[in-house]
Amino acid sequence: AIQLTQSPSSLSASVGDRVTITCRTSRGIGRALAWYQQKPGKPPKLLIYGASTLESGVPLRFSGSGSGADFTLTIDTLQPEDFATYYCQQFNTYPQITFGGGTKVEIK
Amino acid sequence: DVQLVESGGGLVQPGGSLRLSCVASGLTFSNYWMSWVRQAPGKGLEWVASIKGDGSVKDYVDSVRGRFTISRDNAKNSLDLQMHSLSAEDTAVYYCARIYYYDTGGPLDYWGQGTSVTVSP
Repeated sequence: AIQLTQSPSSLSASVGDRVTITCRTSRGIGRALAWYQQKPGKPPKLLIYGASTLESGVPLRFSGSGSGADFTLTIDTLQPEDFATYYCQQFNTYPQITFGGGTKVEIK
Repeated sequence: DVQLVESGGGLVQPGGSLRLSCVASGLTFSNYWMSWVRQAPGKGLEWVASIKGDGSVKDYVDSVRGRFTISRDNAKNSLDLQMHSLSAEDTAVYYCARIYYYDTGGPLDYWGQGTSVTVSP
């Protein structure tokens, strides 16, 4: 099974900061990667799929990049509502899918 | 608007069984792969199982294979997860999610609110 390693596992940032989260897969997956945001007590929300395609309604300050085995989620100008946990997910080995361990973005 | 509503969670003893259900609305249900994803308390997301729109293809994470069965009734727009031989490691919130399938796979674009399963004596 493909393993996904997110880093960092947590970070502290201030409103207005630029935040970068990385996701590394144990083997190349092309661009079959998605990013989700999850807030406490809520289901995950899809942000980005296909490594860089923004889901409808997601603010433009979110962006994704990468291909193969290395991927990045960037949040430009962090907003108060962006403090949450972020997960990457690969869908290269359908129907089996796997998630990264998550990155918690906390307020500094 | 797509809505997914799970039910069936609760407290069950180790070794017991439970059946979760998810009712979908606002979509042509039979056109979509569906999945169950779980989240243990304070932990990350774990994919559990997926099923193709016509029910012809199913797959499971190794830790539940042989114990859990995913199924669907397209006439009722419902997705089920039958769980047997439950252990404390199965304690989690279970989410039903729709797969946006494109190319050779896809992300989970709609999620239910989840139903909580607790396995304890």
